[in-house]
Amino acid sequence: AQTVTQSQPEMSVQEAETVTLSCTYDTSENNYYLFWYKQPPSRQMILVIRQEAYKQQNATENRFSVNFQKAAKSFSLKISDSQLGDTAMYFCAFIKIRTDKLIFGTGTRLQVFP
Amino acid sequence: GAVVSQHPSWVICKSGTSVKIECRSLDFQATTMFWYRQFPKQSLMLMATSNEGSKATYEQGVEKDKFLINHASLTLSTLTVTSAHPEDSSFYICSARTGTGTETQYFGPGTRLLVL
Repeated sequence: AQTVTQSQPEMSVQEAETVTLSCTYDTSENNYYLFWYKQPPSRQMILVIRQEAYKQQNATENRFSVNFQKAAKSFSLKISDSQLGDTAMYFCAFIKIRTDKLIFGTGTRLQVFP
Repeated sequence: GAVVSQHPSWVICKSGTSVKIECRSLDFQATTMFWYRQFPKQSLMLMATSNEGSKATYEQGVEKDKFLINHASLTLSTLTVTSAHPEDSSFYICSARTGTGTETQYFGPGTRLLVL
């Protein structure tokens, strides 16, 4: 069975600084997707970034980028130029291709300080 | 694009009553929708997967007679909590997938249910 581990329950960063959130996963599959979702205090789940396992190039979305290490089964999220609005719970998630079940990690609570 | 709405956002009901929550994909057709439950400070727990026009698939431990799911159209799925009890109080979130091959789920804003 696939599992997703987020080993940092809480992180904090000062505004404008860079922070990296860790995520590791366990699977025997070769074709899958990885995601980072953000859940701010409003509790709306927002897709931050997506990575296809077959792509070697790391995904980027503006200030958000990932470091995808397939052999190490690692998928960290880097937030550059942190903003107060980045304060949220961040969930790493895994899904095997052409299946329905999205598997979430336990989340990392990120606090951005002014 | 890929906007999902939920209604209501907040509901308070008496124990023993039934509550219906709607999940709509506003700008795309969702052949598959998902219902999650989230307890405070915890991750999302998948309750069931619903495909348009067919019966929902429930996760182990989820009572299908208590949590009725209907996915009658490509843009609407409903979750009915029947004979609600205080232990059913929770945050319920739906998501929808735009199509197979991307596996990306877009989430609704959630519904907070409080059963008195």
